[in-house]
Parts: sequence; C-alpha cells; structure tokens
Amino acid sequence: DIVMTQGALPNPVPSGESASITCQSSKSLLHSNGKTYLNWYLQRPGQSPQLLIYWMSTRASGVSDRFSGSGSGTDFTLKISSVEAEDVGVYYCQQFLEYPLTFGSGTKLEIK
Amino acid sequence: EVQLVESGGGLVQPGRSMKLSCAASGFTFSDYYMAWVRQAPKKGLEWVASISYEGSSTYYGDSVKGRFTISRDNAKSTLYLQMNSLRSEDTATYYCARLPRYWGQGVMVTVSS
Repeated sequence: DIVMTQGALPNPVPSGESASITCQSSKSLLHSNGKTYLNWYLQRPGQSPQLLIYWMSTRASGVSDRFSGSGSGTDFTLKISSVEAEDVGVYYCQQFLEYPLTFGSGTKLEIK
Repeated sequence: EVQLVESGGGLVQPGRSMKLSCAASGFTFSDYYMAWVRQAPKKGLEWVASISYEGSSTYYGDSVKGRFTISRDNAKSTLYLQMNSLRSEDTATYYCARLPRYWGQGVMVTVSS
C-alpha cells in the first residue's frame, strides 16, 4: 500500500500569513502519462471533505486562487498564500494512483 | 446540482449487520465510479471501498475485505454498502463519494453493545 505522510503546521498561523502543508508518498505518484495522482482536501469542522486540488496542481472549480499545489513524484506541498479564518480545518492529501486509495493523516490549520 | 444522500446508519451490536444506502442525483450515475470513505470519531479519512460503472469491479480496504460488500443499482441511482460482522472499530461516519469532488453529508454508524 502507498503510505501518505503529512507534516504539521506551526499553529496558530497569523491571519494574512502564508502556510505550507507537506505530504510525502512512499511511492512515486507520477504516472507514465505525465499526470501525478494526488488530491488535496479541506475538511472544515463539522463538514464533509471539500476538494481543493487534483492532479497535484489543478485547482478545483470555485476554490480560491490563494490555494496552490506543487511537488515532484513523491514530495508535495499545498500552499495557502494568505490564510483567512475560513481556511480553518484539517487538510488531507490522497493518492489515487492505485488501490487501496490512501489518505494522509491530516494537517490541522488554526488561525491567530 | 450533484447530491449524495446517505441513509441507514445507527446503533448496531458487534457481530451484527447493517446496510447503508446512498441516493445520488444531479448526474448520470452509471457514468461514474463510486466510493465509500469513513472517518472514525476524531480520526482521519479512510477509504473503504470503490465500485466500477456497472458494478463488475469492486475494490476494498484491507480492514473491511471479506466483511463489507459494495454494490450499486444504476436504475435507482443508488449505492450500497452491506456491512457484516461489525466490530467496534467500524464505528465511524460513512461518506458516500463520487471521488474526488462530490461527497455526501455522511451517516454515523456506531457499533456497540
């Protein structure tokens, strides 16, 4: 199984500052078709997960351009350029290269 | 508008069975793989199972393989999860999802005597 390992944030993050969340996979998620099979989600308190980024760097429809995804085959970063109160929650990375689909353990973002 | 509405959760004793349903609307159900993802209280997300367009292929997480069965009825636009031999560690909110973008609101399953 592909293991997804997420880093922590130095909470709380001051409002307006940038925040970067890291995610590492135990196997390269870069397919021979050139696509990287990684998603990012935000789960706000009491809500279902919301897709932020797919194919490692493509922002989902309706997602603020303050969110951006980058990385290589095994190391990934979700950057929030200027955190706001509405960004509070837990962020998850997820690989969809192969079954079983696997998620990272989550990274909590708190705002000061 | 895509909607996924789960039902069938509740309290069940260990060793018993429960069947979850997910009513889908707002899209052509048979055009998409569907999945169940769960979240134990205060824990992270765990993929449970996925099913192909017509249901001919199914995939399961190791923790539920042999106990849970995912199925679908495309005529009814409904996804199912039959859960047998339930354990306390199956206690979670279960989300129906058209991964990655669309998720239901979740249904709580509590396995306890």
